[in-house]
Amino acid sequence: QKEVEQNSGPLSVPEGAIASLNCTYSDRVSQSFFWYRQYSGKSPELIMSIYSNGDKEDGRFTAQLNKASQYVSLLIRDSQPSDSATYLCAVPGGKLIFGQGTELSVKP
Amino acid sequence: DAGITQSPRYKITETGRQVTLMCHQTWSHSYMFWYRQDLGHGLRLIYYSAAADITDKGEVPDGYVVSRSKTENFPLTLESATRSQTSVYFCASSELGAHQPQHFGDGTRLSIL
Repeated sequence: QKEVEQNSGPLSVPEGAIASLNCTYSDRVSQSFFWYRQYSGKSPELIMSIYSNGDKEDGRFTAQLNKASQYVSLLIRDSQPSDSATYLCAVPGGKLIFGQGTELSVKP
Repeated sequence: DAGITQSPRYKITETGRQVTLMCHQTWSHSYMFWYRQDLGHGLRLIYYSAAADITDKGEVPDGYVVSRSKTENFPLTLESATRSQTSVYFCASSELGAHQPQHFGDGTRLSIL
């Protein structure tokens, strides 16, 4: 069984700062990775997919993948209070395996 | 508007009752999934389906039954509800496969007294 680990947080950053969320996984053959955002009381929403080593940028969000070290991270630049949510990392393992999520709080 | 809808959004029932949660998607996605989400456990897969009439167990299938007679519908039944099944239940679908990105419904908050 593949494992996906995330720090549960909460991670607190001031508005305008960079928030860094990390995820490690146990299976070396995983080829793709996904980040979901879940607001309190809402369903998970896919925000980023990354399939190859390196960085992928989408607006204020950057996903970074390092397969050799088996981690994937999500950077949120210029963090806004509206970014306050739980961020779930998901790794394919037959089915998607979700981490337990990191709670991010952006303070005005 | 296309999407994935779950019903009911909220449900309160008693132990021993049968409960069915509905999931309907309009994308014609082949894959559909049921998860439960509990504090401290994250998202746990209950059952999934690769196509109509094809279903398979996930991580926590005990006490649940699913069926998929039509591509667009994937109901989840608790045959005899227990308090440990109090949870938030999410249905999801995927076009490309069980290991590809999934899109979630709004969830059903189920309380069993």
